[in-house]
Amino acid sequence: EPEVTQTPSHQVTQMGQEVILRCVPISNHLYFYWYRQILGQKVEFLVSFYNNEISEKSEIFDDQFSVERPDGSNFTLKIRSTKLEDSAMYFCASSLGLAGAVSYEQYFGPGTRLTVT
Amino acid sequence: AQKVTQAQTEISVVEKEDVTLDCVYETRDTTYYLFWYKQPPSGELVFLIRRNSFDEQNEISGRYSWNFQKSTSSFNFTITASQVVDSAVYFCALSVPSGSARQLTFGSGTQLTVLP
Repeated sequence: EPEVTQTPSHQVTQMGQEVILRCVPISNHLYFYWYRQILGQKVEFLVSFYNNEISEKSEIFDDQFSVERPDGSNFTLKIRSTKLEDSAMYFCASSLGLAGAVSYEQYFGPGTRLTVT
Repeated sequence: AQKVTQAQTEISVVEKEDVTLDCVYETRDTTYYLFWYKQPPSGELVFLIRRNSFDEQNEISGRYSWNFQKSTSSFNFTITASQVVDSAVYFCALSVPSGSARQLTFGSGTQLTVLP
């Protein structure tokens, strides 16, 4: 069964450093998302990406964040200068993007735990 | 704006008991989609079910069943004859088809612990 994959599973970085989190969405999906979950809290939307551009972003997704689809398979989230409060689990998700209700089902990767020290 | 409320932060049951997880949602859109996701201790988010706003037929799938009531804006989830492996955080989520956004709005989750 196709699945979303994410690398690395755990990233430790020092405050102020740049990190890139990588995701490979399900191959025939057209919508891609990043969410984050601070430990013990709810899952929060960061950004959605469709047709090679950002379609929506939340208030959390400030200028320190960027997303890219560098090739036909990878989808990356970059944090330019990490802060302590960026420590969280980051989930990538993808959905079909066709018409119809089934296209709204989002399938999540296993997450990358980012620890900023 | 969309909002999802899961009033139960933690529920603890003994194996084989039935348990219902509550979810109340708010949206001004007439077309929307509701979801339940499971997050086991390993941390991943597992998709369980999607319901459409125009389909109030309730569903049973094995030990799981869902009760969608538009009149009360609720989308409750019941596990029958719970098992220890059901222990997880369960998230209710909402998506509305406004433009190309489609992002999920999650509730705060309910931690379910099933004791042997």
